[in-house]
Amino acid sequence: GAGVSQTPSNKVTEKGKYVELRCDPISGHTALYWYRQSLGQGPEFLIYFQGTGAADDSGLPNDRFFAVRPEGSVSTLKIQRTERGDSAVYLCASSRGGSQETQYFGPGTRLLVL
Amino acid sequence: AQSVTQLGSHVSVSEGALVLLRCNYSSSVPPYLFWYVQYPNQGLQLLLKYTSAATLVKGINGFEAEFKKSETSFHLTKPSAHMSDAAEYFCAVKKSSGDKLTFGTGTRLAVRP
Repeated sequence: GAGVSQTPSNKVTEKGKYVELRCDPISGHTALYWYRQSLGQGPEFLIYFQGTGAADDSGLPNDRFFAVRPEGSVSTLKIQRTERGDSAVYLCASSRGGSQETQYFGPGTRLLVL
Repeated sequence: AQSVTQLGSHVSVSEGALVLLRCNYSSSVPPYLFWYVQYPNQGLQLLLKYTSAATLVKGINGFEAEFKKSETSFHLTKPSAHMSDAAEYFCAVKKSSGDKLTFGTGTRLAVRP
């Protein structure tokens, strides 16, 4: 596609519920990243995939957060037992892989946990 | 660990004035440095990046930044501000051998007519 797309653009849920956030990377990009941006802050790294495997998941805050990329393209970020503190914009980015490559960001999913 | 400090969470300039947004980094290894811009309700867009080639980097929309190792800085400048430059700007650092970006807290630029 023309750029990174994320769905839904907005998600409102209740505390304790389960949510899934989807990311469609740019076609042919092998690397995919998830970041979280809280109000008034810069994005914070969550997890990085190279192909199908999670190469670095050191940014996941706890075991309620999980992400998959089963076919090396689309990725889903899953949050169990949501808490109000999970409210943020979740950003996805993709790149060709390699440290010099530019990461291209999607528009984000704005998650609100009531 | 890498980190980035952006001095000034809000900067206001007049249209046509010089834009200067400050970024200082800390890194234990040679870093790659990036400036991204975020318009309201949009994703991050790359303005420019430094990956150890020329220290003066030119980006889109007339922006440029200079990597100064002695000052550990990568400040963003534009000679003449346009109203359309009003947005939030983020500096980010990455290890030259790594992949994840570490972002600063951002600077919101306002442009006065």
